[in-house]
Amino acid sequence: GESVGLHLPTLSVQEGDNSIINCAYSNSASDYFIWYKQESGKGPQFIIDIRSNMDKRQGQRVTVLLNKTVKHLSLQIAATQPGDSAVYFCAENMNNAGNMLTFGGGTRLMVKP
Amino acid sequence: DAGVTQSPTHLIKTRGQHVTLRCSPISGHKSVSWYQQVLGQGPQFIFQYYEKEERGRGNFPDRFSARQFPNYSSELNVNALLLGDSALYLCASSLAGVRAQETQYFGPGTRLLVL
Repeated sequence: GESVGLHLPTLSVQEGDNSIINCAYSNSASDYFIWYKQESGKGPQFIIDIRSNMDKRQGQRVTVLLNKTVKHLSLQIAATQPGDSAVYFCAENMNNAGNMLTFGGGTRLMVKP
Repeated sequence: DAGVTQSPTHLIKTRGQHVTLRCSPISGHKSVSWYQQVLGQGPQFIFQYYEKEERGRGNFPDRFSARQFPNYSSELNVNALLLGDSALYLCASSLAGVRAQETQYFGPGTRLLVL
């Protein structure tokens, strides 16, 4: 079936650099997308979301970009810090699917000091 | 304010046994969803409950069941445990959950090991 996927399983960046985590989705009916951060031994933590009527949304040090034409989602983290080290998941939600989120496989972000 | 709470934090069972996991949503949230996260993978949707009724079900066998109580807390039950049921079980709460595009907040999870 259709699912959310990620291009890179592991991303290693230098502290202070910007990070970009990518995600491809295949379900054209999805209209809500969320990025979660999961640290070892913890549950997923909400970072930022975006609805399909938007192309870009900014938070504190994070930006999510949505390209509906190619069904691509990205999370940009500015000035990456050691505390950003975690696994990042994108998830999608369809309008007629209630609360059911479909998650990708995750990308591990490693920040080198 | 307390976030989503789950109990127990860890659990060890043997094949064939039954397990009950518990979740308390964020105060004011009425919808609870359950997810299974196998090591190295993203969470997979199991159930959604809202106002004590099942509103969604993922592709899981009938050995998995759940319920929601009047105070909006929830239990996930798994019968006849298999080795493959070993996973982190996550609970997420949202305000209503009857429409999409509601932020879901996850608890810390219950790590279940089946031997």
